[in-house]
Amino acid sequence: NAGVTQTPKFQVLKTGQSMTLQCAQDMNHNSMYWYRQDPGMGLRLIYYSASEGTTDKGEVPNGYNVSRLNKREFSLRLESAAPSQTSVYFCASSELFEKNTEAFFGQGTRLTVV
Amino acid sequence: KQEVTQIPAALSVPEGENLVLNCSFTDSAIYNLQWFRQDPGKGLTSLLLIQSSQREQTSGRLNASLDKSSGRSTLYIAASQPGDSATYLCAVCADGLTFGKGTHLIIQP
Repeated sequence: NAGVTQTPKFQVLKTGQSMTLQCAQDMNHNSMYWYRQDPGMGLRLIYYSASEGTTDKGEVPNGYNVSRLNKREFSLRLESAAPSQTSVYFCASSELFEKNTEAFFGQGTRLTVV
Repeated sequence: KQEVTQIPAALSVPEGENLVLNCSFTDSAIYNLQWFRQDPGKGLTSLLLIQSSQREQTSGRLNASLDKSSGRSTLYIAASQPGDSATYLCAVCADGLTFGKGTHLIIQP
């Protein structure tokens, strides 16, 4: 009963380094999302993929890129990490975007940029 | 732009009490509203989903209500237990999920 799986769980990067956060879901959901969670700011949408083959910007997309690799997998890439990107990143999925059915979240990736 | 507010930001009550968490949102054009629970250092666990056409949903000791016209939802927790201690988040669904900042709940044994 895996649901939404994120890797890695923890990561420390130096400023300017790049990395890719991986996310996979096994619920045959059409829509997938990347959020970041910061103290005092709540969860904010970075990018989403309403269906396989499409991606769109959310509220805070600057500094990030995404790839919807297939229906199961949605990755988030930081090309040149900055300390402001220190955060907890959550991947989520739902059956349909327009009707925004129940969303399921992964356990998060805790990223520190030094 | 949709804004979601949760009151109170923190709450501490003795075990056994019934309690209510509040969520308000500024734009009533939503598909549904979802309540989540987040334990420290963990991800979000979905508790209840209320479709825009519904007034309430129940799961065990939890009951969530929705008044879309007034932009309000409440989460009622009956007979609280120490295991209910967590942060509770509400999120409204329109163009993606918009979250409140959560209510940090502590149930004292």
